[in-house]
Amino acid sequence: EDQVTQSPEALRLQEGESSSLNCSYTVSGLRGLFWYRQDPGKGPEFLFTLYSAGEEKEKERLKATLTKKESFLHITAPKPEDSATYLCAVQAGGGSNYKLTFGKGTLLTVNP
Amino acid sequence: DSGVTQTPKHLITATGQRVTLRCSPRSGDLSVYWYQQSLDQGLQFLIQYYNGEERAKGNILERFSAQQFPDLHSELNLSSLELGDSALYFCASSFTVGARREQFFGPGTRLTVL
Repeated sequence: EDQVTQSPEALRLQEGESSSLNCSYTVSGLRGLFWYRQDPGKGPEFLFTLYSAGEEKEKERLKATLTKKESFLHITAPKPEDSATYLCAVQAGGGSNYKLTFGKGTLLTVNP
Repeated sequence: DSGVTQTPKHLITATGQRVTLRCSPRSGDLSVYWYQQSLDQGLQFLIQYYNGEERAKGNILERFSAQQFPDLHSELNLSSLELGDSALYFCASSFTVGARREQFFGPGTRLTVL
């Protein structure tokens, strides 16, 4: 069974204080690893897809990296508007099943 | 705005009742997925449809069923509702061809069972 574990569960930063969120996974045949951002009461918003170890993607203050066992979401000089829950998900296996298995998320709070 | 629409936004009903949640995927997307999000379980995959056919099932209860229609919109039917069914229900869609595997989520339907 695919498993995704995110840490820490919650992270509080001061504006401008860079940090990283971790997503470790155990799957059989990784097809892709996905990062989403979710604001309270809203649907997850797609951020990145990573397909193979060594891959990196960037968007504004966010950078996602992937190894064979884990992914990191680096947040550089965060702003209060970056406050949200960040979700990691994996897509694995074969055939026509493209389901995502999600971690429980990291709740990020950025104080001004 | 992801382009995925869901109705209704909120639904309040009583135990034992039946409800239908509706989802319209992004233009051009052939796959629709349903997920349930509760405080203790996080986001859980329920079921996937591709171009009208069921493709995969997750932790979906027998009291729940879904279908995807020829115009590609999908409905999730929840029956004999219990208090524990209260949750956010999300629909997502994807193109699901080649490397374009990202799923785009709708705004969700918040179901409250009293």
